[in-house]
Amino acid sequence: EVQLVESGGGLVQPGRSLRLSCAASGFTFDDYAMHWVRQAPGKGLEWVSGISWNSGSIGYADSVKGRFTISRDNAKNSLYLQMNSLRAEDTALYYCAKGYDYVWGRNYFDYWGQGTLVTVSS
Amino acid sequence: DIVMTQTPLSLSVTPGQPASISCKSSQSLLHSDGKTYLYWYLQKPGQSPQLLIYEVSNRFSGVPDRFSGSGSGTDFTLKISRVEAEDVGVYYCMQSIQLPPGSLYTFGQGTKLEIK
Repeated sequence: EVQLVESGGGLVQPGRSLRLSCAASGFTFDDYAMHWVRQAPGKGLEWVSGISWNSGSIGYADSVKGRFTISRDNAKNSLYLQMNSLRAEDTALYYCAKGYDYVWGRNYFDYWGQGTLVTVSS
Repeated sequence: DIVMTQTPLSLSVTPGQPASISCKSSQSLLHSDGKTYLYWYLQKPGQSPQLLIYEVSNRFSGVPDRFSGSGSGTDFTLKISRVEAEDVGVYYCMQSIQLPPGSLYTFGQGTKLEIK
């Protein structure tokens, strides 16, 4: 059974940093791309970032480019999102999602975690 | 960016009756590789999204056959042949044909399905 468990969310002041983690199990982690997708309170879904199976290719939404960094550790079956210079508009539930394929582009998300809540407020 | 527009934004359906959701994209989702990069997700109350349909019309593992997807180019439809109580939630369409620059994955606004 595929399991994705996010952690690291919390309350943080504008301009500060936070690092999210996603622990994966139930599948061969290093065979698949991974993604972060977020959902602001009461709003729709927004793709944030994706990373290929071997970290060789990475993509970001324009809204987070230059501030967020996605990474993965295949030895630990883990995905990360380093979020710097956080803004109020980054407040959201952040989901870790498994890609269907090993590349991050032209792909889709077949399994999702339960999410970790990030609140950016002073 | 490719804009995904869903209609209606909300739907109230009697159990056993059919339901239909439309999704229109601002650009064709048909790629030269022959694939159409259109997907449907359902987010049940208090849960994370779950994949229903991939590449327009293929049901994901475990998805009941009362769900079906159709369409081509820029116009797509999700149909539920007989709505059940467990189908309540918000339905999203998503495209993934776009490559940089621009947002690679964009979702529709969501359609909230409730039971009468």
